[in-house]
Amino acid sequence: QDQLVQSGAEVKKPGASVKVSCKASGYSFTDYQIQWVRQAPGQGLEWMGRINPNTGDTNFAQKFQGRVTLTRDTSINTVYMELSGLTSDDTAVYFCASSAGFPFAYWGQGTLVTVSS
Amino acid sequence: QSVLTQPPSASGTPGQRVIISCSGSSSNIGSNTVNWFQQLPGTAPKLLIYSNNQRPSGVPDRFSGSKPGNSASLAISGLQSEDEADYFCAAWDDSLNGYVFGTGTKVTVL
Repeated sequence: QDQLVQSGAEVKKPGASVKVSCKASGYSFTDYQIQWVRQAPGQGLEWMGRINPNTGDTNFAQKFQGRVTLTRDTSINTVYMELSGLTSDDTAVYFCASSAGFPFAYWGQGTLVTVSS
Repeated sequence: QSVLTQPPSASGTPGQRVIISCSGSSSNIGSNTVNWFQQLPGTAPKLLIYSNNQRPSGVPDRFSGSKPGNSASLAISGLQSEDEADYFCAAWDDSLNGYVFGTGTKVTVL
């Protein structure tokens, strides 16, 4: 069964960085892109960027350029999203989603990142 | 910063048909395919429709999508209580070089 499992909730102080992991199983990890999407409390969905797990190639929404880093470890089928310079506006649930077969076909359970002093 | 516009809410009684619109532009919906997602409270979004009108396996045929021009729509036929959720559209935007999502529509079953 194709699935994505994300790391647990994080609480960070303003100015800090957070790194969220997304482990894939049940399909060929390097064959499909993984997207990152976030959702602030009570708000809609916002695309952050994506990574090709095979090549490591990335592209990002302009809003996050220079502040988000996507990496992967093919030995453990895991993608990482690191967001730096956190502010209270970054408090949100962060989702990874695999494009295995269809765009955004499978989603992780989400990781709540809370930024608070 | 949603680029795609959806009505904030829609409602219907059980068995009715509800249609949700998603308005975009030539750089996104006008030139790329549209995907639709359902999000139940406290859960991750679920892909309902891809490539404008295709359903992944397991999605009931009560859900259908269409894409006339620079807009798209999601129809829910035979509305059921479990359809009460938030619905989002999404498409690639050639100008922004990234995906854009709709503002979201909350469907209520009366």
